[in-house]
Amino acid sequence: EALLVESGGGLVQPGGSLRLSCVASGFGISTFDMNWVRQAPGKGLEWISHISPNSGVMSYADSVKGRFTISRDNAKNSLYLQMNNLRDEDTALYYCVRRFDHWGQGAQVTVSS
Amino acid sequence: EIVLTQSPGTLSLSPGERATLSCRASQSISSSSLGWYQQRPGQAPRLLIYGGSNRAAAVPDRFSGSGSGTDFSLTITRLDPEDFAVYYCQQYGASPYNFGQGTRLEI
Repeated sequence: EALLVESGGGLVQPGGSLRLSCVASGFGISTFDMNWVRQAPGKGLEWISHISPNSGVMSYADSVKGRFTISRDNAKNSLYLQMNNLRDEDTALYYCVRRFDHWGQGAQVTVSS
Repeated sequence: EIVLTQSPGTLSLSPGERATLSCRASQSISSSSLGWYQQRPGQAPRLLIYGGSNRAAAVPDRFSGSGSGTDFSLTITRLDPEDFAVYYCQQYGASPYNFGQGTRLEI
């Protein structure tokens, strides 16, 4: 069974940084596009970043471009999201998503002073 | 950037009834790049339909997707109590891979 487990969330002050990790099990990520999707409290889904299997293509939503960096380590079966210069509006549950067919349970990020 | 608009915002129906949810794109998209997701309270989203009309694994056949160009729909025949949730459409053909704002299906 394909499983994605996020970690690294928490409470951070505005302007701070966090790094989310996502470890996959039950399958190898090396052949899959991977994504991060977030959901602010009580709101809808927002796609924020994508990375191709060999890391050759990366894309970002305008809301995070220049502040967030997606990366992956296929040997460790892991996906990452480095989040810098965090803002209040980045408060959300962050999902690691394989293509768009398998979703993790999410990591909570709260940005507040 | 492709914007997806879902309607209605909320749909109130009863178990056993039929639901039709709409997703309209701001420009034409390939049906092969349109997906539908279900999100129950407190749970992660679940892929229901990919490629516009293909059911994902373990999705009951009462769920069906259709459409082309800018107009797509998700139909749920014979609503089951577990179907009352929020539904999102998404296009994944061109970045940004935007989602619609969601339709809440309530009893």
